[in-house]
Amino acid sequence: TQLLEQSPQFLSIQEGENLTVYCNSSSVFSSLQWYRQEPGEGPVLLVTVVTGGEVKKLKRLTFQFGDARKDSSLHITAAQPGDTGLYLCAVHSGGSNYKLTFGKGTLLTVNP
Amino acid sequence: ETGVTQTPRHLVMGMTNKKSLKCEQHLGHNAMYWYKQSAKKPLELMFVYSLEERVENNSVPSRFSPECPNSSHLFLHLHTLQPEDSALYLCASSRHSGNTIYFGEGSWLTVV
Repeated sequence: TQLLEQSPQFLSIQEGENLTVYCNSSSVFSSLQWYRQEPGEGPVLLVTVVTGGEVKKLKRLTFQFGDARKDSSLHITAAQPGDTGLYLCAVHSGGSNYKLTFGKGTLLTVNP
Repeated sequence: ETGVTQTPRHLVMGMTNKKSLKCEQHLGHNAMYWYKQSAKKPLELMFVYSLEERVENNSVPSRFSPECPNSSHLFLHLHTLQPEDSALYLCASSRHSGNTIYFGEGSWLTVV
């Protein structure tokens, strides 16, 4: 079993629609990170959430960390083609600050 | 441009070949990483170097051999690879452990 389960695995929507993707685990984490990976590029950090129940906003993206710090969600409002990419959640695991463990990601396609 | 440069961007090699992937970071960071990204698995941490010393070695087969001659350069030497080693190999760096990591654009490796 994966440490982080992301859903859905694939999502294809029209421009202007709203969407939510999820990152779930049975483990508790001190923090959780969200990355976006655009085609042909490496992942880029979007946000780090630290406190249970925390909500962070980045323009049209809203990130929430679950109260129990086991899960997180990413909501995108009025999606645009530029939002297309692979959205990855990640946590430090194994007692190492170097070891970042990733979920498999949600591949989002926003059609014009 | 993330400040982490990988070469080559694409590499095709036979199973008996020896090749190397190169990574250079211009960010003044102390830690460098190799990750593997394949189609059916999450991003997997392979190796971590901090101040040119290997601090993580994630049960990677010996046909992958890392080298960190200084804090700005990281190599991944490849020898007698298998077709299942075909993947995107991502280099990353961070100032210290637990800090934000910055990924390069990756090297696409195909083993034939």
